[in-house]
Amino acid sequence: GAGVSQSPRYKVAKRGQDVALRCDPISGHVSLFWYQQALGQGPEFLTYFQNEAQLDKSGLPSDRFFAERPEGSVSTLKIQRTQQEDSAVYLCASSFPGEETQYFGPGTRLLVL
Amino acid sequence: GESVGLHLPTLSVQEGDNSIINCAYSNSASDYFIWYKQESGKGPQFIIDIRSNMDKRQGQRVTVLLNKTVKHLSLQIAATQPGDSAVYFCAENLGYGGADGLTFGKGTHLIIQP
Repeated sequence: GAGVSQSPRYKVAKRGQDVALRCDPISGHVSLFWYQQALGQGPEFLTYFQNEAQLDKSGLPSDRFFAERPEGSVSTLKIQRTQQEDSAVYLCASSFPGEETQYFGPGTRLLVL
Repeated sequence: GESVGLHLPTLSVQEGDNSIINCAYSNSASDYFIWYKQESGKGPQFIIDIRSNMDKRQGQRVTVLLNKTVKHLSLQIAATQPGDSAVYFCAENLGYGGADGLTFGKGTHLIIQP
C-alpha cells in the first residue's frame, strides 16, 4: 500500500506486560514520528526519527517507553511494564525529507487491563 | 499548557451549509499550520496547510484563514456533506523543514444534520 501502516491495530495487555507496536512508513519518507492520542484528545508528540537517528524523544512519558528504527525504515515503539494510563491510540506519521506535512497511519489502539 | 486549542468542542451544521471551525494558537514563532480530519477508528487525514507568510489558502471545498495578529486559524468547509462528519484538529509546528513534532489542539467534532 501507499500509506503508513501500523500493526497490530488493536492490542489488549495485562498490566505489567511489555508490548511492541510496529510502524511501516511511506516508502522514501525519511522522517518518522510517534504520537499518543488519549480518548477525546488530540495526538501528543512522543518521539521523532530522521532515518535511523532518534533526534527528539522529549515527549516520551517515562523510561518505560522506548522507540527504535534501526535500519531507517520500520520503527517499533516498545512499552515496558504497561500501566492502565498507557491505554491510548498510538499513531505513527511520516514525512518527505524537508517537508512539514505528516501523513498518519491508522494507529494501534492499546488497552491495558 | 497547550500551544494550540479550539474554541468549541462540537459544531452542528445543516447539510449543504458552510462550516467554520476555529482554532487559537499561542506560539507566535509557529511557522506552519495544518488541519486534519479524523474519522472514528482512523488516523488523522491531511486536509490543508498554510505557512505563516500567507493569510489564506484554498483547496477543494476548504479554505484556511490565518490571522497572525490575533493568533487565530480557521477552517471553512463549503456545502457541508455527510462525509464531512468527523473530528477536526488544527496543528502547528515551528517549520524546521520536517524536523519537528506537531502540536495539536483538542479537536472539534463536526456533526452534519440532514
